[in-house]
Amino acid sequence: RKEVEQDPGPFNVPEGATVAFNCTYSNSASQSFFWYRQDCRKEPKLLMSVYSSGNEDGRFTAQLNRASQYISLLIRDSKLSDSATYLCVVNTGDDKIIFGKGTRLHILP
Amino acid sequence: NAGVTQTPKFRILKIGQSMTLQCTQDMNHNYMYWYRQDPGMGLKLIYYSVGAGITDKGEVPNGYNVSRSTTEDFPLRLELAAPSQTSVYFCASSWLLAGDGDTQYFGPGTRLTVL
Repeated sequence: RKEVEQDPGPFNVPEGATVAFNCTYSNSASQSFFWYRQDCRKEPKLLMSVYSSGNEDGRFTAQLNRASQYISLLIRDSKLSDSATYLCVVNTGDDKIIFGKGTRLHILP
Repeated sequence: NAGVTQTPKFRILKIGQSMTLQCTQDMNHNYMYWYRQDPGMGLKLIYYSVGAGITDKGEVPNGYNVSRSTTEDFPLRLELAAPSQTSVYFCASSWLLAGDGDTQYFGPGTRLTVL
């Protein structure tokens, strides 16, 4: 099993729809989890941290499932501007930080 | 604050040439990082630094060197460039070690092609 794995997509979703994608991790000792957003040919930017109790920021909700070792990102009422690649980032312990390859999201008008 | 700045934005090198990618941050962050991102791939950590004078290897350090003489600057040196080093290079910084619940701030990247 890869250390951090994401469905590369692309997810093609109509504007206004709800979309969700997951990220699985292999090391059960992993401590911290994040979602970053990366626009085409740009640098990654933090979207949100993922806490054990879940985290919500406007239309975005992140969840952690330690039992099944995955994190999720839910985007409600999707906007054209949400089109981007979403990177899962996991601190696997021993200060090792792993970036997933990203999930590409296209919001269709 | 300018945040994290990188120069150059683009560079084409010939095989065997050397160059230094510059990275500067003005947020007084302790931690700085160099990543490379190949097409369709996740970011791979090359080197990181926990403070001035202290550096450590990441996942893919071969073919690169770094130094950290000041808090602000963290240059990445490529010696004897090879086509396998064609990539986009991102510098990042953070207050705490990234992953300790702390945000990494990324520079705009340097697109390097080795021919």
